[in-house]
Amino acid sequence: AQSVTQLGSHVSVSEGALVLLRCNYSSSVPPYLFWYVQYPNQGLQLLLKYTTGATLVKGINGFEAEFKKSETSFHLTKPSAHVSDAAEYFCAVTQAAAAGNKLTFGGGTRVLVKP
Amino acid sequence: GAVVSQHPSRVICKSGTSVKIECRSLDFQATTMFWYRQFPKQSLMLMATSNEGSKATYEQGVEKDKFLINHASLTLSTLTVTSAHPEDSSFYICSAFDRLLSYEQYFGPGTRLTVT
Repeated sequence: AQSVTQLGSHVSVSEGALVLLRCNYSSSVPPYLFWYVQYPNQGLQLLLKYTTGATLVKGINGFEAEFKKSETSFHLTKPSAHVSDAAEYFCAVTQAAAAGNKLTFGGGTRVLVKP
Repeated sequence: GAVVSQHPSRVICKSGTSVKIECRSLDFQATTMFWYRQFPKQSLMLMATSNEGSKATYEQGVEKDKFLINHASLTLSTLTVTSAHPEDSSFYICSAFDRLLSYEQYFGPGTRLTVT
């Protein structure tokens, strides 16, 4: 069984400030972890993913996330927010042992960037 | 590479009619496709898993007779909402996966269904 919890359904940051989106997961087997971004009325775009290896992963648009097994976390950060980062962000997990298995999504975090 | 399209992007239909949504993998063969439903301001809810050439596997609580899924080829899956009602109005998103290509799911742009 697997689950994902995103703390904070809404996050508001000022342009240029740090963006931190929290994601905690539970998985009975080694997880594959993903962060997706969704703009209004659009599908999901992959920001970054963790499978194996380096625990700090870098993605598109200046985002990065760190896999911390001991904390079962995969928080997403960006050092300096831009107005174009305003969107909905989803953390997701699947089981590494069965790649292609169903994704389980967190509830999402809506990011508002104040100019 | 790994592009998934959906058609139509928006559809409005009258209550009681059926609507078909297509999901296509444009540059790879999708052994598995997933169908999700997303209500406003909510996360994605998996409806069913569709494997090419076999019957779809529906998630608990999803009516298989209402949401007909066909995955007849490695590049096309269709979702048909039968006898649609206003409560079926939602954003439907598909994703496609090829285990030989990657462990990732590639998402379509979504279809906004409005039932009047």
